[in-house]
Amino acid sequence: DVKVTQSSRYLVKRTGEKVFLECVQDMDHENMFWYRQDPGLGLRLIYFSYDVKMKEKGDIPEGYSVSREKKERFSLILESASTNQTSMYLCASGRELFFGEGSRLTVL
Amino acid sequence: AQSVTQPDIHITVSEGASLELRCNYSYGATPYLFWYVQSPGQGLQLLLKYFSGDTLVQGIKGFEAEFKRSQSSFNLRKPSVHWSDAAEYFCAVSLGNTGKLIFGQGTTLQVKP
Repeated sequence: DVKVTQSSRYLVKRTGEKVFLECVQDMDHENMFWYRQDPGLGLRLIYFSYDVKMKEKGDIPEGYSVSREKKERFSLILESASTNQTSMYLCASGRELFFGEGSRLTVL
Repeated sequence: AQSVTQPDIHITVSEGASLELRCNYSYGATPYLFWYVQSPGQGLQLLLKYFSGDTLVQGIKGFEAEFKRSQSSFNLRKPSVHWSDAAEYFCAVSLGNTGKLIFGQGTTLQVKP
């Protein structure tokens, strides 16, 4: 089975902190994605990557950056966390999107 | 612009009853269509997908969906709902076969005993 692992299920951070969300997949997928999920808004694409060191902006990239140094790992970075970034973050990989279990981030 | 609409935010059905969740999409080309299910506190799991061919597709857990090009719809159905089907369901369309999906807002399914 494909496994997409997100390093943290729950995080609590303070405004202005730098936050790293890590995602690792074990199926050699080229495509990896970061989505944000909010009630009533569904899932919105933040960034995606089709290959190592490649990244493309999704629909809501503001306030976020990403890093893909290795094929299996795709990291989402919040340079200076803000309260409006409190959300569930979902990582996915592949063309049919295999999802991790999500990281629920609270910014105080 | 491409979009996906799930008209029903919340649906309640009795256990054993049939289920249909609606999904409409707006996309110029032939779409790749997906249904996902999300249990509370979990990630999303793929139920089924349509890429081409037979417009009635079968998925896991007894679900099926029918692609109707004329109606721009991809409705999800199940003949008999089980209590374990209570979850949130998302319809999505892919921009080409890239994995870059646009999701609907989701439909929450509640199952009454």
